Amino acid sequence: QPVLTQPPSASASLGASVTLTCTLSSGYSNYKVDWYQQRPGKGPRFVMRVGTGGIVGSKGDGIPDRFSVLGSGLNRYLTIKNIQEEDESDYYCGADHGSGSNFVGVFGGGTKLTVL
Amino acid sequence: QVQLVQSGAEVKKPGASVKLSCKASGYSFTNYYIHWVRQAPGQGLEWMGIINPSGAGTNYAQKFQGRVTMSRDTSTSTVYMELSSLRSEDTAVYYCARTKWELAPVGGFDPWGQGTLVTVSS
Repeated sequence: QPVLTQPPSASASLGASVTLTCTLSSGYSNYKVDWYQQRPGKGPRFVMRVGTGGIVGSKGDGIPDRFSVLGSGLNRYLTIKNIQEEDESDYYCGADHGSGSNFVGVFGGGTKLTVL
Repeated sequence: QVQLVQSGAEVKKPGASVKLSCKASGYSFTNYYIHWVRQAPGQGLEWMGIINPSGAGTNYAQKFQGRVTMSRDTSTSTVYMELSSLRSEDTAVYYCARTKWELAPVGGFDPWGQGTLVTVSS
């Protein structure tokens, strides 16, 4: 199953843009990844799914247009433009491996985004 | 609207078991897989397992094999997760989450339940 690697922290100024990266382990370049946002003290919230062709399916409910994704090689990116205070959160990427009775889910370690 | 409502917080002693519930509403219960994910204090997300509410098929993360049992009651649209032989390291918030795509275990987790805090302490 894939291993997902995320930098532990990132920061950006109010109104600026930031790109968060999730890196798949070698051999899994065709895998799609899901991005989740977890605000302080809250549960995770689905943002969107990304493959090498970009977004897969639809964004999660209430996710603003400022959020976009891109995929290249082993990397899956989440870009947030015009950062707002409410974007300060932990961001996790996740992937699924196998199907049916062999399904396994994996998560990256998360990136804590600080809005300056 | 689609909603997952989880049972309340639990405090257990080491060695005990805990059984959590996750009640679904707003959609066809048997058409979407349910996952369980936990988060220890200050830590990241950890996938525990999946249940197919239609046929009750399950698959568990290797780490929890032998200690976790997932089940469902279609009459009440409720999924259960029981974890046995609890230890202090099992102290965490436990979430249930539905797969985003119908009739498939994949596609992302959306929505999530509100989470249940399980505290394991002597």
